[in-house]
Amino acid sequence: NAGVMQNPRHLVRRRGQEARLRCSPMKGHSHVYWYRQLPEEGLKFMVYLQKENIIDESGMPKERFSAEFPKEGPSILRIQQVVRGDSAAYFCASSPHRPSSYNEQFFGPGTRLTVL
Amino acid sequence: TQLLEQSPQFLSIQEGENLTVYCNSSSVFSSLQWYRQEPGEGPVLLVTVVTGGEVKKLKRLTFQFGDARKDSSLHITAAQPGDTGLYLCAGTGNQFYFGTGTSLTVIP
Repeated sequence: NAGVMQNPRHLVRRRGQEARLRCSPMKGHSHVYWYRQLPEEGLKFMVYLQKENIIDESGMPKERFSAEFPKEGPSILRIQQVVRGDSAAYFCASSPHRPSSYNEQFFGPGTRLTVL
Repeated sequence: TQLLEQSPQFLSIQEGENLTVYCNSSSVFSSLQWYRQEPGEGPVLLVTVVTGGEVKKLKRLTFQFGDARKDSSLHITAAQPGDTGLYLCAGTGNQFYFGTGTSLTVIP
């Protein structure tokens, strides 16, 4: 049973370019979460999606960032016109159920974005 | 506002020593989880605690959930170099909140 997959593992972009980060959840999981992590820090929640729906995007910057989880295919985190401050590790997690007392999230290996 | 504060932020100990990591909040959580993250990898779930006062043991790791479900601790006995990593607590409330993290280094 494959785990959560993310690609690319490393992404280098110049300022002003677009970054697209992909996440394929575990088989049978319909809930996807995106987090951002700076070195030596914890994870900051960005967005929670179900298939074709954004459930909670309270952690997502209002501009340049967007996320989707289409009916078919992986979830995409898109960052337009990247700036150096966007450099970070972006992690995707998935779970089989809605957040609840027993919610457990399974994480992918992350995408490390470097903006030159 | 960071809902979950972990202490210490950094910890460096000798192999064989014991240690405790704390995760504190002023908020009540319906459950709390501990993850361990190695450099270059995603967090890996270690345990979920649900009941106030609950204690769970995982080999040399002991996890405790506070009676009021606002705090938790992770105790490691006889630490080994393989325990090195970033330990993260995470709580389920209206959202899913991660703690600030404790970076542990175990020196052989």
